[in-house]
Amino acid sequence: DSGVTQTPKHLITATGQRVTLRCSPRSGDLSVYWYQQSLDQGLQFLIQYYNGEERAKGNILERFSAQQFPDLHSELNLSSLELGDSALYFCASSVISYNSPLHFGNGTRLTVT
Amino acid sequence: DAKTTQPPSMDCAEGRAANLPCNHSTISGNEYVYWYRQIHSQGPQYIIHGLKNNETNEMASLIITEDRKSSTLILPHATLRDTAVYYCIVSGGGADGLTFGKGTHLIIQP
Repeated sequence: DSGVTQTPKHLITATGQRVTLRCSPRSGDLSVYWYQQSLDQGLQFLIQYYNGEERAKGNILERFSAQQFPDLHSELNLSSLELGDSALYFCASSVISYNSPLHFGNGTRLTVT
Repeated sequence: DAKTTQPPSMDCAEGRAANLPCNHSTISGNEYVYWYRQIHSQGPQYIIHGLKNNETNEMASLIITEDRKSSTLILPHATLRDTAVYYCIVSGGGADGLTFGKGTHLIIQP
């Protein structure tokens, strides 16, 4: 158990809809990362937050947004969903020292029909 | 972050040591080598990381060559539960996310 909690585990929704994925980081970790993993793309870094502030952006679509709240949990909002957004979405957290490893949750499997 | 090269797949017999190689010839002086694994659609699991010295923990050992251009992850006594995709990643730190490649699919044979 990595200590990172993601909810829900599974989500099925229709095209055009909006969903919110939630992540609770490990106790003491200030930094949260979001990754997307689809069958043909592998693990893609989306965005990172540190102590409530956006720190780095990867391949995140404009239809997607995220935030980190004062209690350090994070939410990833996906809107105007398309079939191609079907994927596993992972959250990771870390202590923000220079070489601190990331610890991943078990993901949310999103299916867009 | 420097690019890494790993074999796409490897087999290993149960109970033997699994040695997973990784080339990272463009690694720079401040970049660490990280190893993660992913067991069938679970979240990636951190295994070990190092800068230039060899490292060992309860899961594995990491051997980094003196010129730091390659490394080997060693699972000393592989079990069937070690079947997974293993990712070798080189990064200057966790601040900007890690770039995952395709990794090595390690299959432990009974």
